[in-house]
Amino acid sequence: DAKTTQPPSMDCAEGRAANLPCNHSTISGNEYVYWYRQIHSQGPQYIIHGLKNNETNEMASLIITEDRKSSTLILPHATLRDTAVYYCIVRVSDFGNEKLTFGTGTRLTIIP
Amino acid sequence: ETGVTQTPRHLVMGMTNKKSLKCEQHLGHNAMYWYKQSAKKPLELMFVYNFKEQTENNSVPSRFSPECPNSSHLFLHLHTLQPEDSALYLCASSQEWRVETQYFGPGTRLLVL
Repeated sequence: DAKTTQPPSMDCAEGRAANLPCNHSTISGNEYVYWYRQIHSQGPQYIIHGLKNNETNEMASLIITEDRKSSTLILPHATLRDTAVYYCIVRVSDFGNEKLTFGTGTRLTIIP
Repeated sequence: ETGVTQTPRHLVMGMTNKKSLKCEQHLGHNAMYWYKQSAKKPLELMFVYNFKEQTENNSVPSRFSPECPNSSHLFLHLHTLQPEDSALYLCASSQEWRVETQYFGPGTRLLVL
């Protein structure tokens, strides 16, 4: 199984870019990297996903290294509402069944 | 608002009670999921339904019984639960089972006394 490693917590000043790293050194060639976040007492929210190329949407940017062994989620101008647990996930295959496996994530705190 | 609703939002029940959690999605998706999130533990996938058929049961105890009458509704029937079953129960949906962009409901916070 491909697994991810994330720092347990990070702080970022409001208005600055928040860069959240994720290691996924055993990722397979056809597996995507997904990012979700969970604000306290709410369900997880999809942010972005990618395979090889860098991706950007209205919420964030995803930078995937050329060897695909790590990635970084970038929130360009963090606000207090971005305080949440951020999950980096790779899609795993198990005998043809595919499922999202959530790790413990990174607790991001935006500091005023 | 993700298009996935869950009721009730909070539930307190005794170990001998029977209760049900309800999930409804208004996104036209064909796959629905139940997850369990215990304090300080990763999100755990419990059940997957694709086109109303159960495709996955992640070794969940039989005191949890899912039901999917149609692609828009998903239930989790609870009976004779244990205090360690207290957790946040999350429902999610996706367009298809193997499409991993899932949309989550707000969850039901369950306390078993």
